[in-house]
Amino acid sequence: DAKTTQPPSMDCAEGRAANLPCNHSTISGNEYVYWYRQIHSQGPQYIIHGLKNNETNEMASLIITEDRKSSTLILPHATLRDTAVYYCIVRAPMDSNYQLIWGAGTKLIIKP
Amino acid sequence: SAVISQKPSRDICQRGTSLTIQCQVDSQVTMMFWYRQQPGQSLTLIATANQGSEATYESGFVIDKFPISRPNLTFSTLTVSNMSPEDSSIYLCSVKSGQNYEQYFGPGTRLTVT
Repeated sequence: DAKTTQPPSMDCAEGRAANLPCNHSTISGNEYVYWYRQIHSQGPQYIIHGLKNNETNEMASLIITEDRKSSTLILPHATLRDTAVYYCIVRAPMDSNYQLIWGAGTKLIIKP
Repeated sequence: SAVISQKPSRDICQRGTSLTIQCQVDSQVTMMFWYRQQPGQSLTLIATANQGSEATYESGFVIDKFPISRPNLTFSTLTVSNMSPEDSSIYLCSVKSGQNYEQYFGPGTRLTVT
């Protein structure tokens, strides 16, 4: 079973910030939060990851709560090309049994 | 990041035949992964392929059905054997790379079995 819970779908207006929530209440101390997205008919794309501090890169920002039981992925200025399924995954990167457990994700639809 | 290509990008195959999917990476990587994504579903790991050793298969997947080769650190193949319509899926190759072992994926191979 996936270790994360995400809403099945969300809408966002083009140009606005898209905020995608993820609950991971059973996260362990050595597990990171990873975000990926899958645009239709493409392979998944890595977006960002974090342990406990907020992170930002050219694609998005990741806000992790202080207790690490939830996080939010922020796309600051969503465009139509950001329409995709977004997956939140928790994983210890150095775990020898390296497997990402993929839940159903959130289908984000950006509307003009 | 790693750049991954897959061949073929799509194929339509007849029941009972086999298809070999190729995965090429632009850098040397230790671990490569093969996933299946059935229509409208999330990703399911088929197996992990390390160079120089037998692939490790996940529950529900067997070597006779999905033989994997890993001849070097930049290449792998997955064969879908004795295909049935239930094998119609997208098959994805992935590698672990980067400082924190994020995964990178190929574009996928869309397989339709008739």
